[in-house]
Amino acid sequence: GAVVSQHPSRVICKSGTSVKIECRSLDFQATTMFWYRQFPKQSLMLMATSNEGSKATYEQGVEKDKFLINHASLTLSTLTVTSAHPEDSSFYICSAINSGRKYNEQFFGPGTRLTVL
Amino acid sequence: AQTVTQSQPEMSVQEAETVTLSCTYDTSESNYYLFWYKQPPSRQMILVIRQEAYKQQNATENRFSVNFQKAAKSFSLKISDSQLGDTAMYFCAFLQNSGNTPLVFGKGTRLSVIA
Repeated sequence: GAVVSQHPSRVICKSGTSVKIECRSLDFQATTMFWYRQFPKQSLMLMATSNEGSKATYEQGVEKDKFLINHASLTLSTLTVTSAHPEDSSFYICSAINSGRKYNEQFFGPGTRLTVL
Repeated sequence: AQTVTQSQPEMSVQEAETVTLSCTYDTSESNYYLFWYKQPPSRQMILVIRQEAYKQQNATENRFSVNFQKAAKSFSLKISDSQLGDTAMYFCAFLQNSGNTPLVFGKGTRLSVIA
């Protein structure tokens, strides 16, 4: 199979602190991963494309300095929410492309629920 | 840019009945894939069914089938013999078949299966 994990599954932090979320492809290599944000009862909103060994590509309106993405290996991408505030509270989901599949099939992590107090 | 439209924010169906979820999309690409994803309360995204645009035959996965109308850019999902476990958000998604591009999602349809 193709499994993607995220850690932590949920995190509560105080306003002003930074939080790091990890996305790992467990049984395949992923040169490209994606980070999404999802508010309650809404769709997934693409935040950025993470490419191994290069800078992430951010979607319009997403602050690069606020949401730091590092893709240092073929199996790990991290999203760091810096100086988190209550409005950053959301559900964050990553997905990874399994290049070995026919059509760049994407596999999703289970998500991370961030609550900023 | 591609867009995906789901015009039914919420739907409900009686257990064992059939329900159809609508999806339309817009693209200038000729080679692409279309998907339906299920997101249950756990919020894990689960692939329900996939359709390759170059295939005319509609995809089927057990109780799930699609009606793919390429010219009309329509991609509806039919769920037969609905079960309580089908209760979830359903997202229609588009993927172009070039480069490492992200999925483009519709806004979703919340389906409730009623006993």
